[in-house]
Amino acid sequence: SQELEQSPQSLIVQEGKNLTINCTSSKTLYGLYWYKQKYGEGLIFLMMLQKGGEEKSHEKITAKLDEKKQQSSLHITASQPSHAGIYLCGAVLNSGNTPLVFGKGTRLSVIA
Amino acid sequence: DSGVTQTPKHLITATGQRVTLRCSPRSGDLSVYWYQQSLDQGLQFLIQYYNGEERAKGNILERFSAQQFPDLHSELNLSSLELGDSALYFCASRRGGSGGEQYFGPGTRLTVT
Repeated sequence: SQELEQSPQSLIVQEGKNLTINCTSSKTLYGLYWYKQKYGEGLIFLMMLQKGGEEKSHEKITAKLDEKKQQSSLHITASQPSHAGIYLCGAVLNSGNTPLVFGKGTRLSVIA
Repeated sequence: DSGVTQTPKHLITATGQRVTLRCSPRSGDLSVYWYQQSLDQGLQFLIQYYNGEERAKGNILERFSAQQFPDLHSELNLSSLELGDSALYFCASRRGGSGGEQYFGPGTRLTVT
């Protein structure tokens, strides 16, 4: 079973609309990272969340970490074509030195 | 630009062959991570080096090996290549051994024919 589930798997939104992507862990979260990837290209670091209740924003993208629900959400306000891509969450699932475990990603398309 | 560089960008080779992928971490970063990304498996951790020493091992096949050199660049060696090894290979770097931001390189696309 997948340790990190992302939903939805894909999303098509109209330009200007808001959207939310969720990342849920089956284990305790010790840290959560969000990345964006254009198809076939490298991962662009967006945000890192480490404390329960933490919320960070960058331009029109906001990410929150709900430690109790073992979940993080990524919210995009007033989506633009430049937001299109694959959003990946990566989690630290162990208090020791463990590399990131990644979800399968959410493919976002923004249409005019 | 993340500051992490990888070469080559593309690699096409035949089954049974051996290839070497190279990664240079961001200036000042001591950790290098290698990941494999395929359509069916997603992004999978292979191995981590920290300041020249192996730090963590993931789903890395015995045919694959890696090392980190004194100048902190890293190489991933893939041998006896099979069709199923075709994938995107990423390296990422981090300042310390754990915690903190992790930045990815642009990847090497390996195609085994």
